[in-house]
Amino acid sequence: ILNVEQSPQSLHVQEGDSTNFTCSFPSSNFYALHWYRWETAKSPEALFVMTLNGDEKKKGRISATLNTKEGYSYLYIKGSQPEDSATYLCASQWSNYKLTFGKGTLLTVNP
Amino acid sequence: GAGVSQSPSNKVTEKGKDVELRCDPISGHTALYWYRQSLGQGLEFLIYFQGNSAPDKSGLPSDRFSAERTGGSVSTLTIQRTQQEDSAVYLCASRLAQNRNEKLFFGSGTQLSVL
Repeated sequence: ILNVEQSPQSLHVQEGDSTNFTCSFPSSNFYALHWYRWETAKSPEALFVMTLNGDEKKKGRISATLNTKEGYSYLYIKGSQPEDSATYLCASQWSNYKLTFGKGTLLTVNP
Repeated sequence: GAGVSQSPSNKVTEKGKDVELRCDPISGHTALYWYRQSLGQGLEFLIYFQGNSAPDKSGLPSDRFSAERTGGSVSTLTIQRTQQEDSAVYLCASRLAQNRNEKLFFGSGTQLSVL
């Protein structure tokens, strides 16, 4: 069974703080690494899909890096805002269609 | 449609009853997934449909669970003789599935509560 670990499980930060989370995944049978943001009462929304070792992607104040050799990805949020409060999910894609999700990191940004 | 649509958004049922959950994927998306999230757990894969291929049912937790996808579009997930442990958020997602690095598009889910 593929195991995807995310840490921390939850995080409280103040508005304006920068923060980061970790996603660990098995490096064998790697196809892609996905990051999603899931706000309460909404649908999970894709942030990034990364495939290459050393990939870095950026979307506004959010960025992500990927290390497929050691099996980890970091998600960074610069200058957190209250609207960034959500659960951040990562998923390891290990075939052309199968994804295994981690349990997520619940981020709360206090104004 | 503009996005993945799921219905109902909430369902409360009594133990032992059957329930049917519906998913309407994005038009043209050939791949369709069902996941569920139980309290304190990650997203658990249930079933995958791709075009006319046989579905991957490896994630269905018991034979009380079944799913269909008619005409390569709308899918229904049926849970027979519901149990309290079936209470969860059931999410549907679709994907174009032409390249390996495509994202999933999720619906807003069905919150199922079995009393």
